[in-house]
Amino acid sequence: ILNVEQSPQSLHVQEGDSTNFTCSFPSSNFYALHWYRWETAKSPEALFVMTLNGDEKKKGRISATLNTKEGYSYLYIKGSQPEDSATYLCAFAGGADGLTFGKGTHLIIQP
Amino acid sequence: DTGVSQDPRHKITKRGQNVTFRCDPISEHNRLYWYRQTLGQGPEFLTYFQNEAQLEKSRLLSDRFSAERPKGSFSTLEIQRTEQGDSAMYLCASSLARVVSGAETQYFGPGTRLLVL
Repeated sequence: ILNVEQSPQSLHVQEGDSTNFTCSFPSSNFYALHWYRWETAKSPEALFVMTLNGDEKKKGRISATLNTKEGYSYLYIKGSQPEDSATYLCAFAGGADGLTFGKGTHLIIQP
Repeated sequence: DTGVSQDPRHKITKRGQNVTFRCDPISEHNRLYWYRQTLGQGPEFLTYFQNEAQLEKSRLLSDRFSAERPKGSFSTLEIQRTEQGDSAMYLCASSLARVVSGAETQYFGPGTRLLVL
């Protein structure tokens, strides 16, 4: 059974502050690490697919890094806004064709 | 809108009844996935199709569950003799698979929330 862990489970951040959270995953049989943002009553939205050790990806105020040797990825949000409130999910692709998701980090931005 | 759609969005049923959900993927995508999410958990993989062929099934997919993708376009997921433990959000995703599996983006629908009474 693959173990994908996310921390923290939930996070309250003041508007304007920056924040980050962690995804840890198996370091063997690695194909890709996916990040999704999921707002209530909407579809999960793909943020990043990361494949190479040392990858850094950026989309607006959100960025992510990847360390496949030690099995972790960080997601960073700079200058948090209320619209960033969502659950952030990471998912490990390890050769079997379905993704293995973590439980998510529930982020609440307080005005 | 060319995203992934799912129908219905919500379903309430009584224990023992059969239910069927439909997923319409993005039109040019050759792969279609089903996941299930229960409270407090991340989505869990159930099964996937490459065109019309069902290529992988999770051990979570008991014999009461069956999925089809008859023409390689839309897919249905049927649950027979529903149990209260089947209550969950059922998510569908599609992707355009290239050579390396797992590295292509999976695009998700909004899900079907099932409540079994």
